[in-house]
Amino acid sequence: NAGVTQTPKFQVLKTGQSMTLQCAQDMNHEYMSWYRQDPGMGLRLIHYSVGAGITDQGEVPNGYNVSRSTTEDFPLRLLSAAPSQTSVYFCASRAGQLTDTQYFGPGTRLTVL
Amino acid sequence: DAKTTQPTSMDCAEGRAANLPCNHSTISGNEYVYWYRQIHSQGPQYIIHGLKNNETNEMASLIITEDRKSSTLILPHATLRDTAVYYCIVSSYGGATNKLIFGTGTLLAVQP
Repeated sequence: NAGVTQTPKFQVLKTGQSMTLQCAQDMNHEYMSWYRQDPGMGLRLIHYSVGAGITDQGEVPNGYNVSRSTTEDFPLRLLSAAPSQTSVYFCASRAGQLTDTQYFGPGTRLTVL
Repeated sequence: DAKTTQPTSMDCAEGRAANLPCNHSTISGNEYVYWYRQIHSQGPQYIIHGLKNNETNEMASLIITEDRKSSTLILPHATLRDTAVYYCIVSSYGGATNKLIFGTGTLLAVQP
């Protein structure tokens, strides 16, 4: 199993550009989440999904869209990038219940100029 | 979900036990205590979780007080590789949210 994979590892955008951060897992996990982590801060939940076709907002959803058309993939879209979205983004998945282990991807480091 | 309070940083000598405290005084009856850690620049890693009984696995032990208002994560023999930020999280089992809210954690520095 590759676990949770994220692409790209690094990305530089200009203000106003759009892009999609990719996340995929091969463990057949129902639950997937996106977090952002800013310097000196913990992880903040952006959006999450409890299964294909079902998504919901986390703590900091503004400026981001998600969709979950398949169990494996959970892309995060930035519609119009802003410097405040400069951060490291982590995708995570877990099997089902909240007590299941949550597995994190390696992260995407995004810089918005 | 209940909030947690952790010290910002702690030091521990290599080979000694590292005891990381966490206060969660507003925890409710159906909330679990989770511990994750994040080694520099990597994604967080699950360590352990518990409801009210003490728990032990190959990585650590979790001691939860009888009133469940605080807990301690114990790394029995800390190594340099255990240097990381440790997050204590409380969250409800199941339900509509099913999400983990991370705080700022404790930076554990294991010293040689």
